[in-house]
Amino acid sequence: QVQLQESGPGLVKPSETLSLTCTVSGSSISSYYWSWIRQPAGRGLEWIGRIYLRGSPNYNPSLKSRVTMSVDTSKNQFSLKLRSVTAADTAVYYCSRDVGSTHSTPWGQGTLVTVSS
Amino acid sequence: QSALTQPASVSGSPGQSITISCTGSSSDVGGYNYVSWYQQHPGKAPKLMIFDVNKRPSGLSNRFSGSKSDNTASLTISGLQAEDEADYYCSSYTSSRTLVFGGGTKVTVL
Repeated sequence: QVQLQESGPGLVKPSETLSLTCTVSGSSISSYYWSWIRQPAGRGLEWIGRIYLRGSPNYNPSLKSRVTMSVDTSKNQFSLKLRSVTAADTAVYYCSRDVGSTHSTPWGQGTLVTVSS
Repeated sequence: QSALTQPASVSGSPGQSITISCTGSSSDVGGYNYVSWYQQHPGKAPKLMIFDVNKRPSGLSNRFSGSKSDNTASLTISGLQAEDEADYYCSSYTSSRTLVFGGGTKVTVL
């Protein structure tokens, strides 16, 4: 059974970098695409981007200038860095496994990141 | 990329059928058979319900079905049950090799 777990600071200061890690169990991180999706409180889902070990990442054009994703095969983890954050980046951040780069399953439980001084 | 358009809310009585629409463009919904649907209960992570327009993940109830016509995809829930009350999001692959979500639809079981 594939499981994903997000981890990282729950509070980030404005203008700093948000850093999250997703730990994958039950599946090799080398075999799939992996995505990050976020959801501000009371609002809809926003796709942030996806990464594949053997290819170039794809990012949401609206976030592309601030996002970097990476994979750590030794730990079966992948990571998200979002630079120069503002209050608008406050959201629950989910990691997920992409199947065929067209749909996501399963998802992690999500982690709330608040941007505030 | 612009979010796909979904109705804000849809409601129905137990046992009825409801349909949620998801409208995009020829660059996403209309251009690919890669529309998926997710169910999200309050405080929970989204769950995949339909992928590739009309395919169900293994073990998922056949009360959920998907279809597509031109730039609009649809999710139909038949035999509506209390546990179907949740938010539903559509998603589509795009010509930019990204994914885009709809704004979400709140389903209420009356």
